[in-house]
Amino acid sequence: EIVLTQSPGTLSLSPGERATLSCRASQSVSSSYLAWYQQKSGQAPRLLIYGASSRATGIPDRFSGSGSGTDFTLTISRLEPEDFAVYYCQQYGNSLYTFGQGTRLEIK
Amino acid sequence: QVQLVESGGGVVQPGGCLRLSCEASGFTFSNYGMHWVRQAPGKGLEWVAATSYDGRSYNYADSVKGRFTISRDNPKNTLFLQMNSLRAEDSAIYYCAKERGVYDAFDAWGQGTMVIVSS
Repeated sequence: EIVLTQSPGTLSLSPGERATLSCRASQSVSSSYLAWYQQKSGQAPRLLIYGASSRATGIPDRFSGSGSGTDFTLTISRLEPEDFAVYYCQQYGNSLYTFGQGTRLEIK
Repeated sequence: QVQLVESGGGVVQPGGCLRLSCEASGFTFSNYGMHWVRQAPGKGLEWVAATSYDGRSYNYADSVKGRFTISRDNPKNTLFLQMNSLRAEDSAIYYCAKERGVYDAFDAWGQGTMVIVSS
C-alpha cells in the first residue's frame, strides 16, 4: 500500500500570500494518478487537481499542481479568503486508493 | 448537474449491520466507476470500496474487507454499501463519489450520511 504524507500539518498564511503544500509518497506514483482535493468545514471534498497538474472543471487558475515520482506539490498563487480549508492529496493506482492525512490552511 | 444523494445512515450497535444507498442523477450512471469514502469525526478521508461501471469488479480497503460489500443497480442509478459486523471504528460520515474515468480521480461527491456504531 502506498502511504501519502502531507506537510505541513497546518499552514498559517494571510490572504494574498502564496501557499505551497507538499505530498510525499512512500513509493513512486504515476503522475497520471495523483489528485488534490479541498474540503471546507461541514462540506464534502471537492476535486481541484487530477493527473498531478490538470485543474478540474471550474477551478480557478491560482491553483496549480506539480511533481512526479514521490514528491508532489499543490500551489495556491494568491490566497483568497475562501481558500482557507483542509487539502488532501490522493493516489489512485493499482486498484487501491489512498489519501494523505491532510494539510489545514488557516488564516494567520 | 451531477448529484449524488446518500441515505441509510444511523445509529447501530457493535456487531450490527446497515445498508447505505447513494442515488445518482445528472450523468450516465452505468458509464462510471463509483466509490465509498468515509471520514471519522475530526479525522481525514479514508477510501473504503470501489466498484467498476458494470459492477463486475470491486476493491476494498483492508479495514473493511470481508465485512462490507459494495454493489450497484444501474437501471435504478443507485450505489449500495452493505456493512456487516460493524465496529466502533466504523463510525464516520460515508460519502459516495464518482470517478472521472477508469482509475481516475473523484469528480463528484455526495453530501454524506452519518454512521454511528455505539452500544
